[in-house]
Amino acid sequence: GENVEQHPSTLSVQEGDSAVIKCTYSDSASNYFPWYKQELGKGPQLIIDIRSNVGEKKDQRIAVTLNKTAKHFSLHITETQPEDSAVYFCAASIRGSQGNLIFGKGTKLSVKP
Amino acid sequence: DAGVTQSPTHLIKTRGQQVTLRCSPKSGHDTVSWYQQALGQGPQFIFQYYEEEERQRGNFPDRFSGHQFPNYSSELNVNALLLGDSALYLCASSLESGGGDYGYTFGSGTRLTVV
Repeated sequence: GENVEQHPSTLSVQEGDSAVIKCTYSDSASNYFPWYKQELGKGPQLIIDIRSNVGEKKDQRIAVTLNKTAKHFSLHITETQPEDSAVYFCAASIRGSQGNLIFGKGTKLSVKP
Repeated sequence: DAGVTQSPTHLIKTRGQQVTLRCSPKSGHDTVSWYQQALGQGPQFIFQYYEEEERQRGNFPDRFSGHQFPNYSSELNVNALLLGDSALYLCASSLESGGGDYGYTFGSGTRLTVV
């Protein structure tokens, strides 16, 4: 079955710097890759997603890149702010898998003012 | 527009007991998925309900069961609780006609502690 590896497990940056989180997946049939942000005491919130027919997607300070050949995808956050501090999860699924998102173990991002 | 609502927020149960967790999906959504999130881990898929039927199941034992009602709300039942069932249980809703697998909205979860 699918396996998603996520690195690093913790990341500390200064406010205004960029942050990059990387994930690899094992199943070449996976074709949907969402990223979630989870703040303390809350459920995961979808922040951006990408489908396998796209190599890059950007939304303001957040961007995601996908390399299907290498089976890895990355989250890039530019101009980080203290409110970006949270745990970020990557996930992968096969279209039509009916709910079966496979999550990475998460990255705890700390943005220091 | 209400998001996904889960109840209760916290629960403490004793080993061997049974528990029922509840979820109301986001308005307009018709599909409900349940996930278990152990401390420090990513969520793990338990099962998904659509049209009141379980249509996909993750690697969880039969002690985990569920139900979806005609109004799309859902329940997760866990029997014969084990200490290892202690976790945050998340409900996620989506719209089948909108792609189903895309655009999940998660609730804030139910924190279950088994003692």
